[in-house]
Amino acid sequence: GAGVSQSPRYKVAKRGQDVALRCDPISGHVSLFWYQQALGQGPEFLTYFQNEAQLDKSGLPSDRFFAERPEGSVSTLKIQRTQQEDSAVYLCASSLKGWAYEQYFGPGTRLTVT
Amino acid sequence: AQKITQTQPGMFVQEKEAVTLDCTYDTSDPSYGLFWYKQPSSGEMIFLIYQGSYDQQNATEGRYSLNFQKARKSANLVISASQLGDSAMYFCAMRVGANFGNEKLTFGTGTRLTIIP
Repeated sequence: GAGVSQSPRYKVAKRGQDVALRCDPISGHVSLFWYQQALGQGPEFLTYFQNEAQLDKSGLPSDRFFAERPEGSVSTLKIQRTQQEDSAVYLCASSLKGWAYEQYFGPGTRLTVT
Repeated sequence: AQKITQTQPGMFVQEKEAVTLDCTYDTSDPSYGLFWYKQPSSGEMIFLIYQGSYDQQNATEGRYSLNFQKARKSANLVISASQLGDSAMYFCAMRVGANFGNEKLTFGTGTRLTIIP
């Protein structure tokens, strides 16, 4: 079956540009997560949705970061006025609702801000 | 706050040998889950194994087993009979609390495992 997909896979943005990263979760997965992974580091939590409700956005590093999941399926992570420190891989994951279920990850979007 | 510590940045292991990847965790919450993920050079995180804090037995999934020592707060991953395809980054992760809406994972810094033919 289809896994989590993300687009684009690679994005180069000039400093100050806005970017939008898309995530298509596994069909039927209620929970959706965004993580940021800097080079050589483990993923760090950004935000979490259950259906269309954003239950936790405590990991978003600044108000330039915004995420939405309006119909409880596809999600978009938007970064406004990108800065060099935003360069990272952005991973999306989805899971069934429930605390013990594993999260399935997409291939990530590698964002490079020049 | 919860924390995961992986103290081995890199490991080299001969093919067919067993390997243990270390993970210690810190949380005061009695309810938590521990996960191991594999990240090949392609970048995708692949789920390997899960252990709940109340599980009585160590988790096993094929060649993967989790050596869960609750009193020592360690959750080491054991890979038996390593294969060349096991070469990758390995991350230990934790989810804390059983409350609704508390499902985020906290990851360690990872261990890069290289299998030598």
